[in-house]
Amino acid sequence: EIVLTQSPGTLSLSPGEGATLSCRASQSVSFYHLAWYQQKPGLAPRLLIYAASHRATGIPDRFTGSGSGTDFTLTISRLEPEDFAVYYCQHYGNSPLTFGGGTKVEIK
Amino acid sequence: QVQLVQSGAEVKKPGSSVKVSCKTSGGTFSSYGISWVRQAPGQGLEWLGGIIPILGTANYAQKFQGRVTITADKSTSTAYMEMTGLRSEDTAVYYCARARYYDSSGNHYESEYWGQGTLVTVSS
Repeated sequence: EIVLTQSPGTLSLSPGEGATLSCRASQSVSFYHLAWYQQKPGLAPRLLIYAASHRATGIPDRFTGSGSGTDFTLTISRLEPEDFAVYYCQHYGNSPLTFGGGTKVEIK
Repeated sequence: QVQLVQSGAEVKKPGSSVKVSCKTSGGTFSSYGISWVRQAPGQGLEWLGGIIPILGTANYAQKFQGRVTITADKSTSTAYMEMTGLRSEDTAVYYCARARYYDSSGNHYESEYWGQGTLVTVSS
């Protein structure tokens, strides 16, 4: 099973600032099978990025995914008010699928 | 467009079982994997398992093997998740989610479409 560790646990930032979220895997992730989700309180997660760097349908280009092997990053270039949420990375492909513990991006 | 509609909230006694349904519409039901993910209050996301209806067999996280059964009814485009031996720690919102992509590998892919969630409360 691939264990995903996200850091930091919380990011306190102001609108307009950039955010860098990290996801580290316990072993190499095959075929870039790494996704990022955004979740707001009371709602289901929303797919942002798949295959490490591909934006899902309708996702604005201020969201960028990068990385390979065991180290992956989600970058939000300029935080909009609606971007304050919790972000999860996920390994997929071979079972079991696993999620990281999440990074909360909060308003400073 | 693709929609997933889950059954309503449940309150269960410890030791009992619960079965949550997930009816899909739009798209092709059989080819895309359906995953079940849960979220305990104030906690993160946890993958329970998934099924690719056209293949019929389910995969489970080791933690839930033997206690969770995931099935799919192709005739009604509905997936089900049954959990037995409920305990208070199983209190959570349970989500079904459909994959964005499919191929012939049997792999489960990233989830693009999600149900609204079903709150399962386990309490004596």
